[in-house]
Amino acid sequence: GAVVSQHPSRVICKSGTSVKIECRSLDFQATTMFWYRQFPKKSLMLMATSNEGSKATYEQGVEKDKFLINHASLTLSTLTVTSAHPEDSSFYICSVAQGGGNQPQHFGDGTRLSIL
Amino acid sequence: DQQVKQNSPSLSVQEGRISILNCDYTNSMFDYFLWYKKYPAEGPTFLISISSIKDKNEDGRFTVFLNKSAKHLSLHIVPSQPGDSAVYFCAASAGGANNLFFGTGTRLTVIP
Repeated sequence: GAVVSQHPSRVICKSGTSVKIECRSLDFQATTMFWYRQFPKKSLMLMATSNEGSKATYEQGVEKDKFLINHASLTLSTLTVTSAHPEDSSFYICSVAQGGGNQPQHFGDGTRLSIL
Repeated sequence: DQQVKQNSPSLSVQEGRISILNCDYTNSMFDYFLWYKKYPAEGPTFLISISSIKDKNEDGRFTVFLNKSAKHLSLHIVPSQPGDSAVYFCAASAGGANNLFFGTGTRLTVIP
């Protein structure tokens, strides 16, 4: 069964709207979750690491004020794309890793965001 | 800068034959490698992994080979089945870090 639940699966909205995406860890408590983005014909790129109870760690080039991450509980992380514009249209996907070190990450089904 | 590369965007194989998917990397610090399978409208599903201390890891029909000197890994699926048709991504990380670097994927089609 699914380890990670991501919602919504698809969003279409107008420019200037803020969009919230939820990522839930179903099978275990996750102190760390990850947010990736994929542009067409490109590979998945890590945007940020979401840490329960503390600030997220953003990768270089990712605007923290644009992509707000909240990890309020051990099973839920949210990514809010604030004042979204057409260039933010992309595929956003979250993952969780059980334990530290070399452990595989388990992914949600992703969210296709389209900004008109 | 693409640190993990999958140079074949697609591969077609007859059912029952071997499928070989290839992946190259540039960062010599990578020490953990994974393969994921992705069906349409779903997230990537973990398939198999290998640590740099090994050169082979096998799990049923799936075997991953790692050639550190060539910075190359491959995924062998044998025998291939129609249900294996999907996009396969290789990924790598360094030093137990959480940042996975992904390739662009190879679409495998297994022909019945």
